[in-house]
Amino acid sequence: EPEVTQTPSHQVTQMGQEVILRCVPISNHLYFYWYRQILGQKVEFLVSFYNNEISEKSEIFDDQFSVERPDGSNFTLKIRSTKLEDSAMYFCASSEAPGLTDTQYFGPGTRLTVL
Amino acid sequence: ILNVEQSPQSLHVQEGDSTNFTCSFPSSNFYALHWYRWETAKSPEALFVMTLNGDEKKKGRISATLNTKEGYSYLYIKGSQPEDSATYLCALITQGGSEKLVFGKGTKLTVNP
Repeated sequence: EPEVTQTPSHQVTQMGQEVILRCVPISNHLYFYWYRQILGQKVEFLVSFYNNEISEKSEIFDDQFSVERPDGSNFTLKIRSTKLEDSAMYFCASSEAPGLTDTQYFGPGTRLTVL
Repeated sequence: ILNVEQSPQSLHVQEGDSTNFTCSFPSSNFYALHWYRWETAKSPEALFVMTLNGDEKKKGRISATLNTKEGYSYLYIKGSQPEDSATYLCALITQGGSEKLVFGKGTKLTVNP
């Protein structure tokens, strides 16, 4: 069964460093998302992406964050200068059609620890 | 602020017990509700997408109902098994075209053998 994959599973970085989190969505999917969960809190939406453009972003997704689909298979989230409060589990998701009533399929997450 | 609440926060049941838990949401601008099952270190697994008031969906021993007028959904597990142990998340989609899932905090189910 096709699945969303994410690498690395765990990333440790120093405050102020740049990190890139990588995702390979399901191959025929066109809609892509990033969510995150800070420990003990709810999963929260960061950004949605379609047709090589951001379609929606949350207040969390400030200028320090960017997303890219550099080729036909990868979807990346970059954090330019990490802060302690960026420590969280970051989930990538994808859907075949707009994810309002179409299922958003999630990857296993990347745990980001900022020291 | 849009708030999706799930109760209880955690639940311990014995193997063979049937159980249910609740997802509550503001009914005013409801569009769809997604249920996920999330085992630690794995991907959250999609269970159901529910849209219509009175909807009832079933997948094996798991079923869900939806009441959009009063703003709640129930998830039922019949004859719980240890492999059902997981966190069950619900997530709301609101009207207006946003694909943003607004999640509850989840119900952590532990099924004891």
